Amino acid sequence: DAKTTQPPSMDCAEGRAANLPCNHSTISGNEYVYWYRQIHSQGPQYIIHGLKNNETNEMASLIITEDRKSSTLILPHATLRDTAVYYCIVSPVFQGGSEKLVFGKGTKLTVNP
Amino acid sequence: NAGVTQTPKFQVLKTGQSMTLQCAQDMNHEYMSWYRQDPGMGLRLIHYSVGAGITDQGEVPNGYNVSRSTTEDFPLRLLSAAPSQTSVYFCASSTEMRNTEAFFGQGTRLTVV
Repeated sequence: DAKTTQPPSMDCAEGRAANLPCNHSTISGNEYVYWYRQIHSQGPQYIIHGLKNNETNEMASLIITEDRKSSTLILPHATLRDTAVYYCIVSPVFQGGSEKLVFGKGTKLTVNP
Repeated sequence: NAGVTQTPKFQVLKTGQSMTLQCAQDMNHEYMSWYRQDPGMGLRLIHYSVGAGITDQGEVPNGYNVSRSTTEDFPLRLLSAAPSQTSVYFCASSTEMRNTEAFFGQGTRLTVV
């Protein structure tokens, strides 16, 4: 079973920031938080991951609470092309790679014009 | 750079037929995985491999066989297709380094009638 809880759907206006929450209250000290997204039934696409510090890349920012029980993915200026299902995944540090990802149902983000 | 290539993109099978879904990657990744995705659901892991000659079962392995004779290829075999195997299948690859991203193919949509 997925170790994360996400809202099933969210809406965002184009050009505004999209803030997608994820609850992972049972996360252990050796688990990272990963975010992937899936655009219209294409293969999932990696976005970002982190352990306890906030992370930023060209796609998004990841904010992890100090107790690590929840996180927020931020798309700073959402576009229509960001409409997708976003998956929050926890994965253990000791796992070699990303060969055993556990997906939940994710959050369907709809960016509106 | 092709990344992860899956063939075919679409397939219709009759119950009891066999077939092989092909997956190839050109990134020299050690780890490869197969997932299935049913409507409204996240991806579920079928089988995975951490290197040539090494495979292991995931969450939903029944009805599927895999082998890994080369680093590049990881075929998924359905020996006797059943309607319950109607799904979209995704192949993924990743490096053996820790905390790296998985790269996904574009999927194979399989219908068993």
